[in-house]
Amino acid sequence: DTGVSQDPRHKITKRGQNVTFRCDPISEHNRLYWYRQTLGQGPEFLTYFQNEAQLEKSRLLSDRFSAERPKGSFSTLEIQRTEQGDSAMYLCASSFAGEGYNEQFFGPGTRLTVL
Amino acid sequence: GDSVTQMEGPVTLSEEAFLTINCTYTATGYPSLFWYVQYPGEGLQLLLKATKADDKGSNKGFEATYRKETTSFHLEKGSVQVSDSAVYFCALSDRGRDDKIIFGKGTRLHILP
Repeated sequence: DTGVSQDPRHKITKRGQNVTFRCDPISEHNRLYWYRQTLGQGPEFLTYFQNEAQLEKSRLLSDRFSAERPKGSFSTLEIQRTEQGDSAMYLCASSFAGEGYNEQFFGPGTRLTVL
Repeated sequence: GDSVTQMEGPVTLSEEAFLTINCTYTATGYPSLFWYVQYPGEGLQLLLKATKADDKGSNKGFEATYRKETTSFHLEKGSVQVSDSAVYFCALSDRGRDDKIIFGKGTRLHILP
């Protein structure tokens, strides 16, 4: 099965440290999305890429957050100087943008705990 | 901006009971509507979708009808099973733009045997 994969699945870090997460989308999917889900809430959109271009960023994405998709395949999400409020599940999704409806397929997520 | 409101949980039902989870939306365009499900310890999965008014999405015995006049997309199932215990998210996506998904807060469903 070549679904969306994310690494690591869990990350515990101390406040002030930097963390980086990786997402591998489904092969040939040209769109890749990042969402954040806090406890008891639905996922919230952070940013998305079409191929290697980052086309939209949510206001939730402060300047401590940066995302890349250098070759239009996998993506990384980095959080610098982590804060306790960054503790959440970070979800990645991918889709193929074409005619009509483009279903997004979600990965299992990376759960971040900032102590 | 666009938003989704769904009934708060948790919802607790006995096995074989009828389920309704209410969902209403606000959108400036003509969105596609979805129900996603998150089973314990698993990732988010698309349960069903509807892309235009009066469409009925269905899967695994669940149904929801896109009601443009009432801006609603209520989830129903005639007879729930213990295995349906999960968190259900109503969501929308504005087609033709970025396709980003806007989720409701989720409704936790517990089914008792």
